[in-house]
Amino acid sequence: DQQVKQNSPSLSVQEGRISILNCDYTNSMFDYFLWYKKYPAEGPTFLISISSIKDKNEDGRFTVFLNKSAKHLSLHIVPSQPGDSAVYFCAASRISNYQLIWGAGTKLIIKP
Amino acid sequence: DAGVTQSPTHLIKTRGQHVTLRCSPISGHKSVSWYQQVLGQGPQFIFQYYEKEERGRGNFPDRFSARQFPNYSSELNVNALLLGDSALYLCASRPTGVYGYTFGSGTRLTVV
Repeated sequence: DQQVKQNSPSLSVQEGRISILNCDYTNSMFDYFLWYKKYPAEGPTFLISISSIKDKNEDGRFTVFLNKSAKHLSLHIVPSQPGDSAVYFCAASRISNYQLIWGAGTKLIIKP
Repeated sequence: DAGVTQSPTHLIKTRGQHVTLRCSPISGHKSVSWYQQVLGQGPQFIFQYYEKEERGRGNFPDRFSARQFPNYSSELNVNALLLGDSALYLCASRPTGVYGYTFGSGTRLTVV
C-alpha cells in the first residue's frame, strides 16, 4: 500500500528550462511534506518543505505547490542547472510523529 | 561542522549473521531515525529515537532493534540476516521541533 507515489521514474529537461516533479499521496492525515535530493553514494539532502496550511512555498530556484483536494504536490525548479541532475524524493509526514513516508523517487536529468 | 556520520560505509555479511550499524548525529540533535533503502525504492522508516526513548517503529520484524545512547549516538542491530536485508541503511538526525532531517551517507549492507 503505497501512501506516497511518484509516478515518473525519470525526467529529462533542457538546461535553463523548468523542471516539474510530481508526487501524489493517499493518506489525508499527512500534514507536512518534504522534497529531498539524492546523489549516488550520498544520503538524501533536504531541499524544501511545506505544511498543509499553505499551498505554496518558495526557496530560491525551488518552489513546492500543494493541492490538498487533489492530494498532489509538485516541485518546480527554475531555471534547471546541470547540478540539479539527481534523484528527487517526495516525503510526507504527520506533524504528530515526524516519521517520513517516501515515494520511490524521480531521476532528473538536465541536458546541456 | 560535522554532519551525520555513519559507520561502516560498506559491509558484507553472510546469511544468519548479526550486524551492528552505528550513527553519530549532528551535535545538538537529540532525535535520530533509521531508514532502509532498497535499490529502486524510497527509504522505509525503521525506528525513531528521541532522548534515548523509542518514539516510533516501522513495519520491520523483531530481528531489527536499535538504541540511543546518552550522547545521542545510535546503533541499529539486525539479527539472523536474510538476503532481503541487503540495502542502504540511512541514519538521520534533526533538532527538536524541526522536520528537516539531515541524513548521513548510509551504510551499504550486502548479505550473501
